This record gives sequence, structure tokens and C-alpha cells, in this order.
Amino acid sequence: EPEVTQTPSHQVTQMGQEVILRCVPISNHLYFYWYRQILGQKVEFLVSFYNNEISEKSEIFDDQFSVERPDGSNFTLKIRSTKLEDSAMYFCASSEQMLQQYFGPGTRLTVT
Amino acid sequence: AQSVTQLDSQVPVFEEAPVELRCNYSSSVSVYLFWYVQYPNQGLQLLLKYLSGSTLVESINGFEAEFNKSQTSFHLRKPSVHISDTAEYFCAVTRNNAGNMLTFGGGTRLMVKP
Repeated sequence: EPEVTQTPSHQVTQMGQEVILRCVPISNHLYFYWYRQILGQKVEFLVSFYNNEISEKSEIFDDQFSVERPDGSNFTLKIRSTKLEDSAMYFCASSEQMLQQYFGPGTRLTVT
Repeated sequence: AQSVTQLDSQVPVFEEAPVELRCNYSSSVSVYLFWYVQYPNQGLQLLLKYLSGSTLVESINGFEAEFNKSQTSFHLRKPSVHISDTAEYFCAVTRNNAGNMLTFGGGTRLMVKP
């Protein structure tokens, strides 16, 4: 069964550094998403992406964040200058239709 | 805007006992409702969904949920749980008139004991 994959599984970075989280969505899917879950808190929506542009974003997704689909398979989330409060589990998801989203296993980002 | 409340952060239960995981939502527009399950060290997997039609929806592994519009609830039930059902369960909603952002509840950790 096709699945969403994410790399790395765990990323440790120093405050102020840039990080790129990578996702490979299911191959025939057209809609892509990023969510995050700070330890002990809810899963929160960050951004959705369709047809090579952002279709919706939350208040969390400020100028420090950007997304890109650099080729036909990868979907990336970049955090330009990480802060301690960016430490969280980041989930990528994709969907063929606009409703059923398939999630990856997540990348745990630790900012020190 | 919409919000989701899962009233129980943890639910311990013995194997073969029934369980109910509660979910209430708030929204100014009509919504679609979902339950996702997260097993240890894995991603979120869709368990079941309510889009329209029958208010009772079922999953392939024995879970069911009932949409109650008057009580704005979408509680998840299983008549007899197994050890393998131990996981985190998330209730989520999305608007059904535009967009597809999922809004999640805080999650309920189901712990099935032998």
C-alpha cells in the first residue's frame, strides 16, 4: 500500500539555524499539507499546497516558514531561523481528493 | 472557525470490555468529521469518517462512531477492545463548504490492559 514518507525521523538543530523537513507524498496525490504537534498539545494545521501554490495557511505559518515542491516527488517545509518553540513533531500529509488525508510518520524537530 | 474537544486525555480499559471515546465539536458551518488513530512511532491513520448520510459509521476493525448534530458530538465506540487497540485516537473536523484544513482535538490515549 502506498504511503507518505518523511525524512529525517529526528532532527536536532541549534536556535537560529535553518532546517528543511522532507516529505514524499503518495505519487498520484495532488494536495499536500503540513501539520505540527508540540509535545502534549494538539495537532495543528500549518499549510496546504495545491497546484504549486499555497491554498491555505494558519497563523502559525509566518514568514519564517516556507514550502516547496522542488520536483515531482518531494514536498519540503523550510524553517528559516529556528526558535526553541519550533520544537515539535511535524507531520506531512497528502490527499487525492480534498477530504481523505494520508499522514506520514512525522519528523521530530528538537531546537536547542 | 471550528474547534474540537476530546474530554478524556487517557482511557484505561480491560481487554474485551467496551469503550467510548468522547468527541465534541463547535463550528459555525457544516463540517465533516473524522477519527484518526496513531500507533506508537507511526503516523496518523484514518479510522473512520462521517461526510453525509447515515449518522452511524463503522470501521473495518470494529469501531463505530455516531454523528449527533443536536449534541455536536461524534463519539467513538467499540463493544470489545483488544490489546492491539492501544493507541492515541484523534477526533478531527473540516469545513464542508470550502477548504480542507483539519482541526484536531487533543487526543485520547486508549490503554487496553490484559
